[in-house]
Amino acid sequence: GNSVTQMEGPVTLSEEAFLTINCTYTATGYPSLFWYVQYPGEGLQLLLKATKADDKGSNKGFEATYRKETTSFHLEKGSVQVSDSAVYFCALSDLQGGSEKLVFGKGTKLTVNP
Amino acid sequence: DTEVTQTPKHLVMGMTNKKSLKCEQHMGHRAMYWYKQKAKKPPELMFVYSYEKLSINESVPSRFSPECPNSSLLNLHLHALQPEDSALYLCASSLDTSRETQYFGPGTRLLVL
Repeated sequence: GNSVTQMEGPVTLSEEAFLTINCTYTATGYPSLFWYVQYPGEGLQLLLKATKADDKGSNKGFEATYRKETTSFHLEKGSVQVSDSAVYFCALSDLQGGSEKLVFGKGTKLTVNP
Repeated sequence: DTEVTQTPKHLVMGMTNKKSLKCEQHMGHRAMYWYKQKAKKPPELMFVYSYEKLSINESVPSRFSPECPNSSLLNLHLHALQPEDSALYLCASSLDTSRETQYFGPGTRLLVL
C-alpha cells in the first residue's frame, strides 16, 4: 500500500538556521502531497501542498517540491524562528473505496532555540 | 474561512459513561472525518462521511458510533470506553473525498478513567 517515510526526530536548531525535513513516499499513481504542522496542544494545520510532479508548495517561508523521480517532498525553510517549534507531518492522499484517505508519516518534532 | 470547530475541548469520562463529541464546519464541505491521535503518533483515520453517508469505517470498535445529522455537523458518540481510548480526537472536513485538502479542527482531548 501507499506509505510515507519521514526523517526521525527530534530536530533541534538555533534561530535563523536552515531547516530540512526529509520525506519520501511510496505510491501507485500520482497522489497529492501535504505538509501539516501541529503546535503543542493543538490540532493539525495545513502548511502547504502539491498536487502534481514538479509543483512547489510554499507558505510562511516553508517550501517543498513534488519530486516524482526521487519520490520525495522534502520540507525546507531558510531561516527558522522560535515560533516554528512544532511537530511536522508529511502526508499523501490515498484513494481507497472511492474516498481519499490521508496517509501520514510518523512526524518530526522541531525545536528552535533562541 | 477554513474553520472546523470541535466541542468540548477536554472531556473526562468513566468507563460506564455515555458522551458525545461534536464537530461543525460551515465551509460547504461534503466530506467529514474522525481521527484518533495518541501522544507522539500521527493521526489514525477512524471514519469518513461523504455527503452525509458513512463511506469508510476503519474497523473501529462499536463503542465508537459516528453520526452525521447534516452536511455541517459530525458527532462521535462514546459508550463503555476503555482507558486505552484516551487520546486526542480530531475532526476534519474537505470539499469532497476526491483529492481535496482536509482541514482539521483543534481536537477534543479525551481521558477515560
